[in-house]
Amino acid sequence: DAGITQSPRHKVTETGTPVTLRCHQTENHRYMYWYRQDPGHGLRLIHYSYGVKDTDKGEVSDGYSVSRSKTEDFLLTLESATSSQTSVYFCAIRGGQGNEQFFGPGTRLTVL
Amino acid sequence: QKEVEQDPGPLSVPEGAIVSLNCTYSNSAFQYFMWYRQYSRKGPELLMYTYSSGNKEDGRFTAQVDKSSKYISLFIRDSQPSDSATYLCAIGVDDMRFGAGTRLTVKP
Repeated sequence: DAGITQSPRHKVTETGTPVTLRCHQTENHRYMYWYRQDPGHGLRLIHYSYGVKDTDKGEVSDGYSVSRSKTEDFLLTLESATSSQTSVYFCAIRGGQGNEQFFGPGTRLTVL
Repeated sequence: QKEVEQDPGPLSVPEGAIVSLNCTYSNSAFQYFMWYRQYSRKGPELLMYTYSSGNKEDGRFTAQVDKSSKYISLFIRDSQPSDSATYLCAIGVDDMRFGAGTRLTVKP
């Protein structure tokens, strides 16, 4: 357990509504990541952060924005949710002795 | 072509068997290689982490990287029913790329 929590753990929403997912870590890690996991695609990077207010895009960033105003929190926002954003979202931190990433428990999002 | 290719299986073996899981990748610049285990409805759990080529052993698990062939492997010896999970290979650091995962079932 790398001290990562995600909230909410499950969410059902409607197309066009804004959604914010929260990732919280307790161990002061600098790097944090948001992934989505879909059948047949594995995990794909959405955005990542390398410090407070420092973020960068990943492989599938369209339709998503992120913010990091404190070291411990990394927020993922879907400004206007679409059905294609139905997925399981994982947050990760970079920790350990090298560049290993450790994952949170995930948020299951359904967009109707 | 995906950057990381992994046979999705499913793979079913009897308890005690040696399991071999494999991935190929296309970008020779990658130096960091990882294997994750994921149980149903859980987050991925880091199993093995390797830098550059070579072998790394941890208990019943051995990770192998062949950079000349762009091929990475995970071997599980004396497989147990508790090893039943999806195994994901991953390469890179910040812009990490994952395989789609291989679903493994170990039957008692």
